[in-house]
Amino acid sequence: KNQVEQSPQSLIILEGKNCTLQCNYTVSPFSNLRWYKQDTGRGPVSLTIMTFSENTKSNGRYTATLDADTKQSSLHITASQLSDSASYICVVGHSGGYQKVTFGIGTKLQVIP
Amino acid sequence: NAGVTQTPKFQVLKTGQSMTLQCAQDMNHEYMSWYRQDPGMGLRLIHYSVGAGITDQGEVPNGYNVSRSTTEDFPLRLLSAAPSQTSVYFCASRFRGDTGELFFGEGSRLTVL
Repeated sequence: KNQVEQSPQSLIILEGKNCTLQCNYTVSPFSNLRWYKQDTGRGPVSLTIMTFSENTKSNGRYTATLDADTKQSSLHITASQLSDSASYICVVGHSGGYQKVTFGIGTKLQVIP
Repeated sequence: NAGVTQTPKFQVLKTGQSMTLQCAQDMNHEYMSWYRQDPGMGLRLIHYSVGAGITDQGEVPNGYNVSRSTTEDFPLRLLSAAPSQTSVYFCASRFRGDTGELFFGEGSRLTVL
């Protein structure tokens, strides 16, 4: 069964600090991995997209890594800001068919002053 | 830049009532989909469409109906609402490619009493 597990479930950090969110997946055949940011009461918005051949992708203060051999990804947030408070969702795409995706539950990040 | 527009944003129904959640996109995306988001669970696919006149079931289709008469619109119908359908519903669209980014609407929060 295709699964995406994220850790931690929730995290509280001080403004200005760094943090790393984890994503482990058991998806086959793998196509791509995406990280989305979901603000409270809003729809998810894509941060990064990585295919099998990419192991790092940056978007400003967000850096995603992918290890396709161990089926792990991480999202590193540098110099956190209050606006980073949100849920971060890992989404893994399956190749073939109609491009199915499996969503993780998300990590809820709270940045406090 | 409207993107994906969902209406209504909030709705309260009584058990047995029917209603339609509207979704429209102005990006000429072939692929459109409906998800539900429940606490402690990842987004789950209800129905999807790869083009006008073509729809198919996702992971949790029971109790929902869809149609795709135009590229732009993809309404979701609840035939006879049940309390188990209390959830936040998201419409999403993208181009058909494997690495296509999903663009989400702002969500529709539905409560069934």
